[in-house]
Amino acid sequence: QSVLTQPPSASGTPGQRVTISCSGSSSNIGSNAVNWYRQLPGTAPKVLIYSNSQRPSGVPDRFSGSKSGTSASLAISGLQSEDEADYYCAAWDDSLNGFVFGTGTKVTGL
Amino acid sequence: QVQLVQSGAVVVKPGASVKVSCKISGYTLTELSIHWVRQAPGKGLEWMGGFDPGYDETFYAQKFQGRVTITEDTSTDTAYMELSRLRSEDTAVYYCATGGVVVPAPHFYGMGVWGPGTTVAVSS
Repeated sequence: QSVLTQPPSASGTPGQRVTISCSGSSSNIGSNAVNWYRQLPGTAPKVLIYSNSQRPSGVPDRFSGSKSGTSASLAISGLQSEDEADYYCAAWDDSLNGFVFGTGTKVTGL
Repeated sequence: QVQLVQSGAVVVKPGASVKVSCKISGYTLTELSIHWVRQAPGKGLEWMGGFDPGYDETFYAQKFQGRVTITEDTSTDTAYMELSRLRSEDTAVYYCATGGVVVPAPHFYGMGVWGPGTTVAVSS
């Protein structure tokens, strides 16, 4: 049972901006850093954003993250075909004393 | 560059236990927090637990308390996850992942580098 809520799907035309939301609570997003992961079919997840808005080396700057209160969002600017994947948010939860993932969002191109 | 190499796929019988290994190279285990995450077929990611060497503490998801054990062998830089009393719902891909390389080390920062995953099938 996921504690963080994401929309099940999102879509856009090539080059379009797509935004994915992640809703949590004061015990997780509200008080801890949020990471975003992308998972291509049949492969392991890869971190896109850590600490709310930081991009690891090698992640294109068209991926950006933000957080406000108990919600976070991931934006993909200039959607490309290789961005068709599943995306997950995650954060530590102080009440559960454990990590929680979002429900996941499947991004598809139109 | 850190790399994680996991043990191979296994088929286990209901009620048995499974132990998955995760060999780290490029870093030493003492520098990394290690997490274990699983993904059932067609489902999302589920955190099982993790070890933070800085806090010298192992954290387990409440769902798996009493069934999962996370250990480390610092002499071989290998982490292990053992899950007992297996049932069909435990059929999944099990990933190890680290914090301390791409993302900061403390456990509450999460995972930055992931292993390729180990498929565990529970079947009689």
